[in-house]
Amino acid sequence: GAVVSQHPSWVICKSGTSVKIECRSLDFQATTMFWYRQFPKQSLMLMATSNEGSKATYEQGVEKDKFLINHASLTLSTLTVTSAHPEDSSFYICSYLPGTGGKNEQFFGPGTRLTVL
Amino acid sequence: AQKVTQAQTEISVVEKEDVTLDCVYETRDTTYYLFWYKQPPSGELVFLIRRNSFDEQNEISGRYSWNFQKSTSSFNFTITASQVVDSAVYFCGVSGSARQLTFGSGTQLTVLP
Repeated sequence: GAVVSQHPSWVICKSGTSVKIECRSLDFQATTMFWYRQFPKQSLMLMATSNEGSKATYEQGVEKDKFLINHASLTLSTLTVTSAHPEDSSFYICSYLPGTGGKNEQFFGPGTRLTVL
Repeated sequence: AQKVTQAQTEISVVEKEDVTLDCVYETRDTTYYLFWYKQPPSGELVFLIRRNSFDEQNEISGRYSWNFQKSTSSFNFTITASQVVDSAVYFCGVSGSARQLTFGSGTQLTVLP
């Protein structure tokens, strides 16, 4: 299956700093990708959908000025958590949706665990 | 709008027992896809199965089997002869025309030796 990488796999930062998470598809190109957030013992919640070359569409309750998404190319997307606070501590997962065909199968990255002190 | 309900929050079984994880979904789309994922403690999602809304044929793959019933909007997942390595959180999901995937709340499966 398709391979998606995320970097870093975990990060610890001080409150008020910004953190950038990279998501790369290693063996395919995708115009659509998604960012999810998962708090401990909870489900994955969609944060935003982005299409290459367009602005991301954020889900209700997700601050677009706080969670900056840059879908720069068909193989790279970044999520920047600006001025992070302890409540932003979570597991962040990206996924790619190959092509425009059917099946709707997303390929997930391994996730990034963010801890804000 | 899409919604997935996994009523079982936690299940514990003893190794070699069979276990069924329940999933009920809601969607307004006539064409949609159903998924099951496994999330071990490492956090990485493991894809298990995808079914489209027109394929109600149930399937067995090794120790895994799926029961898709469109009439009751259910997509249940069964593990036969469970093993300790099956311990994980299992998520059911639905994806329709918008191609967004909505997950259920997950079921924590613990298989005891």
